[in-house]
Amino acid sequence: AQKITQTQPGMFVQEKEAVTLDCTYDTSDPSYGLFWYKQPSSGEMIFLIYQGSYDQQNATEGRYSLNFQKARKSANLVISASQLGDSAMYFCAMRDSQDSNYQLIWGAGTKLIIKP
Amino acid sequence: NAGVTQTPKFQVLKTGQSMTLQCAQDMNHEYMSWYRQDPGMGLRLIHYSVGAGITDQGEVPNGYNVSRSTTEDFPLRLLSAAPSQTSVYFCASSSRTPREQYFGPGTRLTVT
Repeated sequence: AQKITQTQPGMFVQEKEAVTLDCTYDTSDPSYGLFWYKQPSSGEMIFLIYQGSYDQQNATEGRYSLNFQKARKSANLVISASQLGDSAMYFCAMRDSQDSNYQLIWGAGTKLIIKP
Repeated sequence: NAGVTQTPKFQVLKTGQSMTLQCAQDMNHEYMSWYRQDPGMGLRLIHYSVGAGITDQGEVPNGYNVSRSTTEDFPLRLLSAAPSQTSVYFCASSSRTPREQYFGPGTRLTVT
């Protein structure tokens, strides 16, 4: 069963606008973690932000924040004031203990293109 | 601090050949994983290890073997390469309760 869903295959956003990338997940494990990674055209995987299921506050890292809605099982990434360098693939991933012994399960990704 | 290193960065194999992709980490992480990424897709877990001497299969293990004789190293062996194994391979490591999984730079493998 698919556990991570990213419904936006691609997005075009004007530079300096805010961007929300969607991610929904499915797990019955009360303890889990959610990750966002950026993959630029050069191919490396760059960690952006992490949200634990028991974290009291939504995670923030600089221009990145995570809109964590536990009841809806969503963990959307928000990028404020987008820049041309934000153009990349963005992946949402989840860690739980159910099937994968704490290994990450990945969404299919969203390709973000920032327009000047 | 080198983090996670992978060699080689690029490799071309003929169908039926075997090879080993190397992965090493210097962060004393217990968990290590191998993923493959096919064009336009997310990462799929091939094999993983939760410590030296312990390995397990992920989502797509067929055609690959792993071993973990030390904490630092986690090589991935392709037994008899097939064109379907053309992909980008990532090695990753993390601590036991990770708030981040660290990735190597990837190996781009083409099987002709």
